[in-house]
This record gives sequence, structure tokens and C-alpha cells, in this order.
Amino acid sequence: DAKTTQPNSMESNEEEPVHLPCNHSTISGTDYIHWYRQLPSQGPEYVIHGLTSNVNNRMASLAIAEDRKSSTLILHRATLRDAAVYYCILRDEWAAGANNLFFGTGTRLTVIP
Amino acid sequence: DTAVSQTPKYLVTQMGNDKSIKCEQNLGHDTMYWYKQDSKKFLKIMFSYNNKELIINETVPNRFSPKSPDKAHLNLHINSLELGDSAVYFCASSPQGGHLLIYGYTFGSGTRLTVV
Repeated sequence: DAKTTQPNSMESNEEEPVHLPCNHSTISGTDYIHWYRQLPSQGPEYVIHGLTSNVNNRMASLAIAEDRKSSTLILHRATLRDAAVYYCILRDEWAAGANNLFFGTGTRLTVIP
Repeated sequence: DTAVSQTPKYLVTQMGNDKSIKCEQNLGHDTMYWYKQDSKKFLKIMFSYNNKELIINETVPNRFSPKSPDKAHLNLHINSLELGDSAVYFCASSPQGGHLLIYGYTFGSGTRLTVV
């Protein structure tokens, strides 16, 4: 799987938008971009994923660069509950073993009240 | 109803012992996984099973033996526990194909294993 690069940590004030960047310059044409987050003392949870177009769901938005070499997870209004480690993961949906998710180091988001 | 449940939540045991962690999912998913998260918080896949068949064994010592009695259960048995086995073990499940893209993985809340 292609590699992703994320900042180790970020801070945000409560109720402000947060933009979490992810670089994936070696992304292939069939790699989907997935985001998961891990709240303290919990297992990771699915946030959002996309291929080429920007995506929105009830948790977040995913903005994908036109060349697909980077993406940004957007939390529109950070709450204290959003404090977590956010993982950006690439997965080739058509590769053997595509079901396996490989986690990197992620970005630890701190939300300041 | 907990979608992916693991037991026990905490496990403290002595070196050399044998222990098991159980996992059950009620989501009707076809694939189940074990992940290990070490003290540096790296999450690494250990095994994946699809419909009770082992798909992936990611360079895990053979002291670790997964067992899937049916597609809703994936247990992890660890023989001759070592200090380095101390970690949080997460079970996860996922649907297949297009549904995986929609719903993603569902993880359990983890089992914290401490070997003393």
C-alpha cells in the first residue's frame, strides 16, 4: 500500500473548523483514501473515505486534491469529543488482501475548550 | 447491542502462561481481524479471516493462534506469553466488496493484555 504522511499533532479551539492534512504523493489510480479516528481508550472508528471527488457525511468532509496527491479531512465544528488520533489510510480496493487496513502514526488532535 | 465485542477488557497474566481473547460480531460481516497496538500506539494487523478461513498472517509468532468457529467469532489464543506481548489487542470486522466501501471496518473496544 502507498504511504501517507500526516503531522504528528494539531490543536484546535472548540467549535472552530479543523483541517487535518494528509500527503500521499505515491497514490495509485485505484487507491481509495480512508480516514479513521481513535478516541482515547477505544478502538478505531470509520470516519469517511473517497476516491476522486470531495465527500461529505454526518461526521466530516473529505477534500481531495485534483492530482490526488493530498487530501484534507475537515471537521466543521470541533467538539471536545473529537479529540482523537486521526489516521489517513490508502487502500487499493482491487489488490489481493485489500480488506486489510494498514495504519500509520496518525495525527493527534487536541481540542481546546 | 455492541457490534464487535471482545472479552476480557483487561488481562493481567504471568510470563509463560497461555491465555485466550474472544471476539464476537453481530453485524453479519464476512471478514474478521486481529490488530495489535503496542506501547508506541502503532496499530498493526495480525490476522484476517474470511468466512472462517485464514487469509492473512502478518509475521506473527506461531505462539499466536487464531480460531474462527463460525463467521461471527474470531478468538485469539496465545501460548507461552512473553513480556513483549503486552499490548492492546483489537478485534475488527468488515463486510465484503462494495459494502466495505460504504460501511468500513468496525472495531471492538480492545483487550489490554499485561504480561508480568
